[in-house]
Amino acid sequence: GAVVSQHPSRVICKSGTSVKIECRSLDFQATTMFWYRQFPKQSLMLMATSNEGSKATYEQGVEKDKFLINHASLTLSTLTVTSAHPEDSSFYICSASASGGIIGADTQYFGPGTRLTVL
Amino acid sequence: QKEVEQNSGPLSVPEGAIASLNCTYSDRVSQSFFWYRQYSGKSPELIMSIYSNGDKEDGRFTAQLNKASQYVSLLIRDSQPSDSATYLCAVNMNSGGSNYKLTFGKGTLLTVNP
Repeated sequence: GAVVSQHPSRVICKSGTSVKIECRSLDFQATTMFWYRQFPKQSLMLMATSNEGSKATYEQGVEKDKFLINHASLTLSTLTVTSAHPEDSSFYICSASASGGIIGADTQYFGPGTRLTVL
Repeated sequence: QKEVEQNSGPLSVPEGAIASLNCTYSDRVSQSFFWYRQYSGKSPELIMSIYSNGDKEDGRFTAQLNKASQYVSLLIRDSQPSDSATYLCAVNMNSGGSNYKLTFGKGTLLTVNP
């Protein structure tokens, strides 16, 4: 159980284009989904937290107009990187939690990640 | 600043030995603690969660939590070369209201030598 999928797994795009990444919880309802970014040999960096039906909460330094997050249902969240540039090339990973904070149900399950390369 | 500290390693152990991974955290009121394993180029995979003081065992893995010392550890018994990965300690911390987020350590790179 607790499987999270991401699509696509890898994407290469030209500078200036937009890229949409989907994150789905396959066997549970995800009250909260999280989007992370990881640069080579660095730790995970939380970009934003999204609760179903609400606007995402972005971490300091993350541009909300550049990284559009939609959490339209309890099983789907999308991240759109708008007007991507080479410096946006990174490993984007989503995670899903069945609960926003109830102890014992707050485990985050990670998707397999999306490797974005912007030329 | 709420932090999670781990020794970055690398930690190198021979096959069959016990690997001991340690983590300390700064937020005294934290209640949820997790260990994730991340292979190079892959996303994190949950190994263990622990919420209460003491030990929690799952197969070859044992998580230990001491809230008074703000310390959590992971022991891997009978280490195998396939255990070679980066191990991430994560602490679920309140970020305001009813919102929680995981704060990760930088990870400890474990190498198990055949």
